[in-house]
Amino acid sequence: QQQVKQSPQSLIVQKGGISIINCAYENTAFDYFPWYQQFPGKGPALLIAIRPDVSEKKEGRFTISFNKSAKQFSLHIMDSQPGDSATYFCAAYASGGGNKLTFGTGTQLKVEL
Amino acid sequence: EPEVTQTPSHQVTQMGQEVILRCVPISNHLYFYWYRQILGQKVEFLVSFYNNEISEKSEIFDDQFSVERPDGSNFTLKIRSTKLEDSAMYFCASSATEAKQETQYFGPGTRLLVL
Repeated sequence: QQQVKQSPQSLIVQKGGISIINCAYENTAFDYFPWYQQFPGKGPALLIAIRPDVSEKKEGRFTISFNKSAKQFSLHIMDSQPGDSATYFCAAYASGGGNKLTFGTGTQLKVEL
Repeated sequence: EPEVTQTPSHQVTQMGQEVILRCVPISNHLYFYWYRQILGQKVEFLVSFYNNEISEKSEIFDDQFSVERPDGSNFTLKIRSTKLEDSAMYFCASSATEAKQETQYFGPGTRLLVL
């Protein structure tokens, strides 16, 4: 119940296309959902985050869509660029769960020219 | 921009040996964390630390693991007697507060290989 399931495991998108990564959870105590971006040789870095009382959050080319009833959320990268090629992790915090992040399994995104 | 730093970047050790992984969190941060990532798997929480004591730990963080803030800047993870399955990338992170909206900043990691 503590898991966050993420798909796909890998994704290849053409430059200018839309990249979509999906996550699902079961623990209703999760109440904050950040996405992290990780480049090779680097630690994960916060990209964008959303609270479950909001259905969508947009920052530049990155948008999180949140479906509370389905317990699903997704990251959309519009106009994908080669520089977006990285591993993306969804994550979740649980109220009363301290401040530990529970991560999804990660999606390796490659944006081709 | 301030960042979390970790040393060493790579560590190779023999099974049964002790290792100490070091981290320098962002200077005004008060909450510190260790996570690990076994190759090809997800990032997993190990432990959080505040005010010189463990706030929370996972089931992975057994008696072989310990954390310490020996001075005002360093935050260390010690594995007393390493096992093959401890081979992983270990990430240190820090945050200014414990609020869930507070960003956890991750270091570049230490890749530990146990032979």
